Amino acid sequence: GAVVSQHPSRVICKSGTSVKIECRSLDFQATTMFWYRQFPKQSLMLMATSNEGSKATYEQGVEKDKFLINHASLTLSTLTVTSAHPEDSSFYICSARGGGGSSSYEQYFGPGTRLTVT
Amino acid sequence: GQNIDQPTEMTATEGAIVQINCTYQTSGFNGLFWYQQHAGEAPTFLSYNVLDGLEEKGRFSSFLSRSKGYSYLLLKELQMKDSASYLCAVRLRRQLIFGTGTRLQVFP
Repeated sequence: GAVVSQHPSRVICKSGTSVKIECRSLDFQATTMFWYRQFPKQSLMLMATSNEGSKATYEQGVEKDKFLINHASLTLSTLTVTSAHPEDSSFYICSARGGGGSSSYEQYFGPGTRLTVT
Repeated sequence: GQNIDQPTEMTATEGAIVQINCTYQTSGFNGLFWYQQHAGEAPTFLSYNVLDGLEEKGRFSSFLSRSKGYSYLLLKELQMKDSASYLCAVRLRRQLIFGTGTRLQVFP
């Protein structure tokens, strides 16, 4: 199946700093990438949807100026958490979907990034 | 808004059968997914239903009734490794909306 990688897998940063998380589709072109956030013992919450070459669409309640998303190519999307605070500590997961074919309905998930803000 | 409900927690015994229900009320519908997620890991795909009926895949089966806004995941011959969270997700036109998730604990 399709593989999606995320980097880093874990990051600890100080309050007020910015952190960049990369999401790559390794063996397919991802026309759409999704960013989710998951707090402990809770389900995944969609933060934003990004299509290659266009601005991301943010879900209600997600600050676009705080969570910067760039989807510059068909294999790479980045999420930058700016001026991170302890309440931003969470598990961030990306997923990617290809542009067509029989499996175009399926999203392939990355392994996630555990962010801890101290 | 979108509403997808699942039981929060379930327990079962090794070798038994368990059914995890999911009800949904969403602004659209283009299919329903079930994912398994172990703690600290990303979800892994289990099944996809877009038409009414039962889809069987090994020990796992998934059922969908679009008229009732209802799905269930059936796990047979439970194993200890099946202890995980099970997420129901509805595909809208462009995105997946996840349910609250069900934590399943399998006991020996």
